[in-house]
Amino acid sequence: AQKVTQAQTEISVVEKEDVTLDCVYETRDTTYYLFWYKQPPSGELVFLIRRNSFDEQNEISGRYSWNFQKSTSSFNFTITASQVVDSAVYFCALSNYGQNFVFGPGTRLSVLP
Amino acid sequence: DSGVTQTPKHLITATGQRVTLRCSPRSGDLSVYWYQQSLDQGLQFLIQYYNGEERAKGNILERFSAQQFPDLHSELNLSSLELGDSALYFCASSVEREGAGELFFGEGSRLTVL
Repeated sequence: AQKVTQAQTEISVVEKEDVTLDCVYETRDTTYYLFWYKQPPSGELVFLIRRNSFDEQNEISGRYSWNFQKSTSSFNFTITASQVVDSAVYFCALSNYGQNFVFGPGTRLSVLP
Repeated sequence: DSGVTQTPKHLITATGQRVTLRCSPRSGDLSVYWYQQSLDQGLQFLIQYYNGEERAKGNILERFSAQQFPDLHSELNLSSLELGDSALYFCASSVEREGAGELFFGEGSRLTVL
């Protein structure tokens, strides 16, 4: 069975601090896809990134970066120089062919001014 | 703007009633997913349709049903509503039949059952 764990339920940081959100997944498949979504206080779910299991290169997009490590089954998300607008719930998700999306429980990030 | 449209955005109704939530997927997307998010809860997968056919079922109650129409819009019907059905219901669409492509979510329909 597939499973996504986000052990950090809530994180609070002060603006401009760096913060890393952890995501650990379980799957028996060799081909799978990993995702991160952001849910700001307004409620909508915003797609951030998709990564396939064969691409372990880290990715950077502005202040956001993702570290994918198959050896530890982790797909962690780092926000550099956090801002108040980064306050949201962040969901990690896993999917593959023949299976449905499995979302983690989410991590609530609060960035304080 | 994800391109996925959900209506209504807010709905307040009483226990025992029936409501219908509507979703229009992004242009070109054939897959529609429905998720339920209760207060401070994660995303619970309900059901998925692909090109009009039910493809996968999750934790969907028997009181709930859904369908996808030939124009690809989808409706989620919730009947005999209970207080515990109060939640944010999301529709998402994807170009893929099976879970390789990202899901694009609508803004959700917030259902309050009184």
